[in-house]
Amino acid sequence: SQQGEEDPQALSIQEGENATMNCSYKTSINNLQWYRQNSGRGLVHLILIRSNEREKHSGRLRVTLDTSKKSSSLLITASRAADTASYFCATDGGSGGYQKVTFGTGTKLQVIP
Amino acid sequence: NAGVMQNPRHLVRRRGQEARLRCSPMKGHSHVYWYRQLPEEGLKFMVYLQKENIIDESGMPKERFSAEFPKEGPSILRIQQVVRGDSAAYFCASSPPMQGIGTEAFFGQGTRLTVV
Repeated sequence: SQQGEEDPQALSIQEGENATMNCSYKTSINNLQWYRQNSGRGLVHLILIRSNEREKHSGRLRVTLDTSKKSSSLLITASRAADTASYFCATDGGSGGYQKVTFGTGTKLQVIP
Repeated sequence: NAGVMQNPRHLVRRRGQEARLRCSPMKGHSHVYWYRQLPEEGLKFMVYLQKENIIDESGMPKERFSAEFPKEGPSILRIQQVVRGDSAAYFCASSPPMQGIGTEAFFGQGTRLTVV
């Protein structure tokens, strides 16, 4: 499996519910980022969490990072139909003295009105 | 400060033609990354460049693909003799010189290449 794997691959929830997506990775990281991609569109950066942080909030988003388990979760609270998109985690290994962001395959979230 | 600019947004090429994709990084960013996204898949790293240097091209196909980031002007991803399998969205990202323990990468809107 590749660095940065999201799970589940697809998630369907009712509007107003919370959505939780998980990401696992293999090698050590400097930071982990979450992105959103609406169908056929570009990537929107949501949040960056550094390896020395455990939790971060931004509006309705909450990201946790557990470096001992090499995993992160993205929680979207009080979901809206507009949150329907694919969500990717991206890790920055930081080895070799440079940053190369590696993406997972994404979680497709559908929020049903 | 404009974001990462990619052009064209959509590009149609016939098999055997050349495709040139351009990426202008954000102001002050000297690092550029190219990614490819096939339909219904995640983004796959292709190449990482700094000004005038290719740092990591481990994700680039061995043939027909090349990338450059000249001292002046945008970064160019060039695909020669395109085939149908090259049809994908190509995203460019940029970041400033590495500071501390990592920096955020900003993405462009992508170029959607269709090979007919």
